[in-house]
Formats: sequence, structure tokens, C-alpha cells
Amino acid sequence: NAGVTQTPKFQVLKTGQSMTLQCAQDMNHEYMSWYRQDPGMGLRLIHYSVGAGITDQGEVPNGYNVSRSTTEDFPLRLLSAAPSQTSVYFCASSYSGGITDTQYFGPGTRLTVL
Amino acid sequence: EDQVTQSPEALRLQEGESSSLNCSYTVSGLRGLFWYRQDPGKGPEFLFTLYSAGEEKEKERLKATLTKKESFLHITAPKPEDSATYLCAVPSRAYTGGFKTIFGAGTRLFVKA
Repeated sequence: NAGVTQTPKFQVLKTGQSMTLQCAQDMNHEYMSWYRQDPGMGLRLIHYSVGAGITDQGEVPNGYNVSRSTTEDFPLRLLSAAPSQTSVYFCASSYSGGITDTQYFGPGTRLTVL
Repeated sequence: EDQVTQSPEALRLQEGESSSLNCSYTVSGLRGLFWYRQDPGKGPEFLFTLYSAGEEKEKERLKATLTKKESFLHITAPKPEDSATYLCAVPSRAYTGGFKTIFGAGTRLFVKA
């Protein structure tokens, strides 16, 4: 199993550009989520999904869109990039989304918005 | 509001020098507490889940304990390969009816040979 994979690993955008961060898992997990990690602030939840076709907002959803058309994939879209979105983004998955399920994280995407 | 605070922010140890990392939390109805390890440039990796006060779990040189207000990650005789950031987290009900995981900012551990 590859686990949770993310692409790209690094990305530089100009303010106002849009892009999609890709996330895929091959563990047949129902629950997937996106976090951003900023220095001194820990991981913050952006959006999550409890299964194909079902998504919901986390703590910091503004400026981001998600969709979940398959169990395996959970892309994160930046609609119009802003410097405040410079961060490291992590995708995670867990078996069923049970409140104490173990989450498995991808390697991250480091995004810089100029 | 549910909150997780970790201390210290950074900890420098000599190889073999045991110590503890602290995680204090404020959450309505604790359902569990997680510890993760994160190496530079990588995603967090699961270490432990503790479910109730008094519970302890061990893995190699690490032992996690839980009280009603805080958790400790004890590191016994650390080695340089234990150098990493250790994250603490708790599950929290989201206002939309789902749940979210609240993470602390982490403790960066440096172990010198």
C-alpha cells in the first residue's frame, strides 16, 4: 500500500492564481481531511469528508473548496490564492471517521503564495 | 472553546537524559487523546491513543500517560533518532455535527549524541 499520497510536494503561486492540491489513499478509508500547518499554530482543519459525495467545513474553510467523487481521492482547490494561504498542507485519512480512529497523514504540500 | 497547549515549545536533551513533554487540554467531554510524531518535511505519524484518565501506553523509549487535565509523554534514555516534533491532539465535536481534531502546536525535541 502507498498509503496517503499528495502532489505536488512544492508549489509557488502568484496572488490570484488558482490551483488544485491532489490527495489520494489506497486503504479504502471513508474519512478524509485537509489540514494546514503554520509555525507555532499546530494543524488546523480546513475541510473533511465522511465518504464519497459528502464534505463539510472545518475550522478554516474560507478560500478553499473540496469535492469527493470517489472514495480514493479528495482534492483541495484554492480559488484565488492569497499570501495568507502560504502554508504546508496535509491530507489525512482514517477508516470510518470514528472519533478516535487513527488518522494517517500524507507527506504534505509546501505552498508559497507571492 | 476546546484547546490544546503543549510545553515546552522546544527541548534539548543529551543522549540518555530522560525527560517529559506536557500536553494540557480543555475539552468538553474527553473522548480520547492522541500523540503523533512528526519528522522534518514529513506528515505526522501516529504514536498512541489514550482513552481515559489513568491510562498509560508504551512504545520503545516512549510512555504516554493521561490525567483529567493533561497528558505527558515520557522519554526514557533518548537517542538522537528520537529527535522530532511531538504533537498532541484531542477529538472535538464540530458545530456542523461532525468532528474535528484539535492539535497542539507541538514540542520540538532535539537529542544530541
